[in-house]
Amino acid sequence: SQTIHQWPATLVQPVGSPLSLECTVEGTSNPNLYWYRQAAGRGLQLLFYSVGIGQISSEVPQNLSASRPQDRQFILSSKKLLLSDSGFYLCAWSPVFQETQYFGPGTRLLVL
Amino acid sequence: AQSVTQLGSHVSVSEGALVLLRCNYSSSVPPYLFWYVQYPNQGLQLLLKYTTGATLVKGINGFEAEFKKSETSFHLTKPSAHMSDAAEYFCAVRNNNAGNMLTFGGGTRLMVKP
Repeated sequence: SQTIHQWPATLVQPVGSPLSLECTVEGTSNPNLYWYRQAAGRGLQLLFYSVGIGQISSEVPQNLSASRPQDRQFILSSKKLLLSDSGFYLCAWSPVFQETQYFGPGTRLLVL
Repeated sequence: AQSVTQLGSHVSVSEGALVLLRCNYSSSVPPYLFWYVQYPNQGLQLLLKYTTGATLVKGINGFEAEFKKSETSFHLTKPSAHMSDAAEYFCAVRNNNAGNMLTFGGGTRLMVKP
């Protein structure tokens, strides 16, 4: 069966520090991968998606970037965090040519 | 472009009462529709989905939803609420573009009173 992992689960970082959040999927090949952010009291905002290694599409201009160095690894990064980057970050995957997305447990980021 | 509207950001019901969470969508193509549930500090879990075929879809935890094309709706129901149903619920529609992206509604927080 397929599983999706995210780490860390919780992160507290100072403003201006770098960020690296990791997401990995097991039990499937060539998945579509997604990064979402959920700000407090708000819905889901799609940040990035990827249909293959090295292929990243950005949905909104922002302080963040994403990379997919391996087929089942998706990384969310920032060089300098802003207060507004605080939120709950969710990674998701979907089988290629299928529409259902499956979500990881999330990473709660607090920027102080 | 696709969009999803969830009426009511907060819904409160008594334990044992009917749960009705509303979702209306717009889509330029035949829609694929989803309901997800999110418990505090967790990721989203798929409750049910509609792609084609039977318009009444049954999901996990006793939930079901009915696709009504004429009303562009996909409301989520459960006959009898349990305390454990307290969570946030998201309706989503498939985007007709690369990457199988979904457009999510703003979410509805369900509260269940004893």
